[in-house]
Amino acid sequence: DTGVSQDPRHKITKRGQNVTFRCDPISEHNRLYWYRQTLGQGPEFLTYFQNEAQLEKSRLLSDRFSAERPKGSFSTLEIQRTEQGDSAMYLCASSFQGALVGDEKLFFGSGTQLSVL
Amino acid sequence: AQKVTQAQTEISVVEKEDVTLDCVYETRDTTYYLFWYKQPPSGELVFLIRRNSFDEQNEISGRYSWNFQKSTSSFNFTITASQVVDSAVYFCALSRGSTLGRLYFGRGTQLTVWP
Repeated sequence: DTGVSQDPRHKITKRGQNVTFRCDPISEHNRLYWYRQTLGQGPEFLTYFQNEAQLEKSRLLSDRFSAERPKGSFSTLEIQRTEQGDSAMYLCASSFQGALVGDEKLFFGSGTQLSVL
Repeated sequence: AQKVTQAQTEISVVEKEDVTLDCVYETRDTTYYLFWYKQPPSGELVFLIRRNSFDEQNEISGRYSWNFQKSTSSFNFTITASQVVDSAVYFCALSRGSTLGRLYFGRGTQLTVWP
């Protein structure tokens, strides 16, 4: 399977614990995005990377959230001191942005479902 | 600010009926892109179509068609002769010209097609 891969698919944790999610993008995709989706809502943008550089962070991304993309390949999203309000589906997507504006196409993974008890 | 409104939360139809999903957007940008995605129960978002703000030509792909009207800021999606496999949540989304992957999604429309 050469699509976007996310691990784990499901994570149950207790309030106050730290959790980390991993996203493996499609090989050679230079952009990687994180979105969060709560029940009955559309996905909301969290942050994105161009290679290893984090270029934009949403105001939704509190200080408890941190994302990295070392070496411009896989990415991790860590949530510290989880709260019940963090319960959501965390979606990763990747794309290749070349020289032509308008060519970028996003491919999504199946997401990590986080439940904070 | 960018905003996408999908007023229909849920739609139920019987197989072979035609169904239209509405999408209204707000943006002050002159260059923008509009998208439709399908999210089946598995959770993965599946890309259906992308249109840029300079191309108002309607598009048809098999049973799917899209009507883009800048005058009413709408980008509606019609499924002709619906099938049970079309049951999913459908999202309309908007992006600015500079970063196409930075999407502003609507709340989605749950479509259920009954046999």
